[in-house]
Amino acid sequence: DTAVSQTPKYLVTQMGNDKSIKCEQNLGHDTMYWYKQDSKKFLKIMFSYNNKELIINETVPNRFSPKSPDKAHLNLHINSLELGDSAVYFCASSPLRVGTEAFFGQGTRLTVV
Amino acid sequence: ELKVEQNPLFLSMQEGKNYTIYCNYSTTSDRLYWYRQDPGKSLESLFVLLSNGAVKQEGRLMASLDTTARLSTLHITAAVHDLSATYFCAVSQDLEKLTFGTGTRLTIIP
Repeated sequence: DTAVSQTPKYLVTQMGNDKSIKCEQNLGHDTMYWYKQDSKKFLKIMFSYNNKELIINETVPNRFSPKSPDKAHLNLHINSLELGDSAVYFCASSPLRVGTEAFFGQGTRLTVV
Repeated sequence: ELKVEQNPLFLSMQEGKNYTIYCNYSTTSDRLYWYRQDPGKSLESLFVLLSNGAVKQEGRLMASLDTTARLSTLHITAAVHDLSATYFCAVSQDLEKLTFGTGTRLTIIP
C-alpha cells in the first residue's frame, strides 16, 4: 500500500544512454513533482504537474522530459545521460496545489559511468 | 528569489542534550515544513507550520515559526540515538514551489 512509488530504486548506466524513471501515487493527489538531490544532499525541484498539466519547469536541460499520462503517474525520461546527472531523483505528490505538503517516494539513485 | 538557509549544516550531540536547528528564509512565506531524511531513505514530513507563532510538538521534537523574523526553529529535547538523521526545512511562497533548505545532518552520540 505504498503511497508514492518509484521504479527502479537503483539505476546504473553508461554515458550517452537514455533511461526512464517511473512514478505512481495512490493518494488521489492532484500535483506531482520531480526533485533532484545531489551528492551534498541539496534538494531542488525540477518539474511539477497538476492534473497532467505542466506547472513548473525549472532550469533543467531539455534532455530531461517529464510525462504525465494521468494524474496518478509522472515519469521522467532522460536522454544522452551525462556524468553530472548522477544523483538521487525523488518523485513526490501533494494534494491540491503546488506548494502544499509534499509526500515523497523512496528515490531512484542514478549513477552514470 | 526565495532563499532558505539552515544552520548548522552538521551537528553532533550527545544523548540527553538539548539543541536547536535554525531555518532562515529570505522573503515572506505562507507556510513552512520540516522533513526528516534517514540515510538512503525518502523524506518524511514532520511538521507543517502555517502562521506566525505556530508551535508544533511531536515527542522530543518541537518546531516553531516566527514570520516576522523569517525564522523557524526545530528544537530537540533530551536527544536519543533514533533522532540521528538529516533534517530539512522547506518554504513555499504564494503556494508556489517548495524551496528546501540546505539540510542539517544530525548525529546523536551515545
